[in-house]
Amino acid sequence: DQQVKQNSPSLSVQEGRISILNCDYTNSMFDYFLWYKKYPAEGPTFLISISSIKDKNEDGRFTVFLNKSAKHLSLHIVPSQPGDSAVYFCAASAIETSGSRLTFGEGTQLTVNP
Amino acid sequence: GAGVSQSPSNKVTEKGKDVELRCDPISGHTALYWYRQSLGQGLEFLIYFQGNSAPDKSGLPSDRFSAERTGGSVSTLTIQRTQQEDSAVYLCASSSQGLRFDEQFFGPGTRLTVL
Repeated sequence: DQQVKQNSPSLSVQEGRISILNCDYTNSMFDYFLWYKKYPAEGPTFLISISSIKDKNEDGRFTVFLNKSAKHLSLHIVPSQPGDSAVYFCAASAIETSGSRLTFGEGTQLTVNP
Repeated sequence: GAGVSQSPSNKVTEKGKDVELRCDPISGHTALYWYRQSLGQGLEFLIYFQGNSAPDKSGLPSDRFSAERTGGSVSTLTIQRTQQEDSAVYLCASSSQGLRFDEQFFGPGTRLTVL
């Protein structure tokens, strides 16, 4: 069962506009959420995270919003830049799991057009 | 300092053969994770090592999969009698202490193709 889902496999936006990537989860035990970014032939790199005690976390051009009642989070990138073109993975962890093993979504390929 | 490295970067094998994938974590990191990404899927947790504790093997898909971590550093993931459904990118990650909010640093992955 896919506990973290990213329903959009791809997203294309114009440079300077806002990119919104969405993620839904089903496990109510998830209380920590992360976004990773992945370029081709490289491993994913951490981008931004949010704890379930918050509904928003901002870091420069990147903002993550969490709606716990809807079990939904989104990543906003504004303004989008061509260098943001990559695959974005949503991930989550639950307090009862060992270590900090992460459950990932399928990823969304973002393309920012100049 | 160096990041997480993995070898080989690509591996093509025939069905039924055994393969070994290697991961060198960041020096000093006590926690090490293996994930895999099959085509069209998210990253799937396989196994987790933390220091000298018994590994969490709950994500291994079958008993054909095993992993070791020698001397608390390098790890090897072994797949015996490979099947076509084992084809995936295998990713290794390490974190400083394996605590919940420690960042996981990923290697570039090994792309395994089973013919």
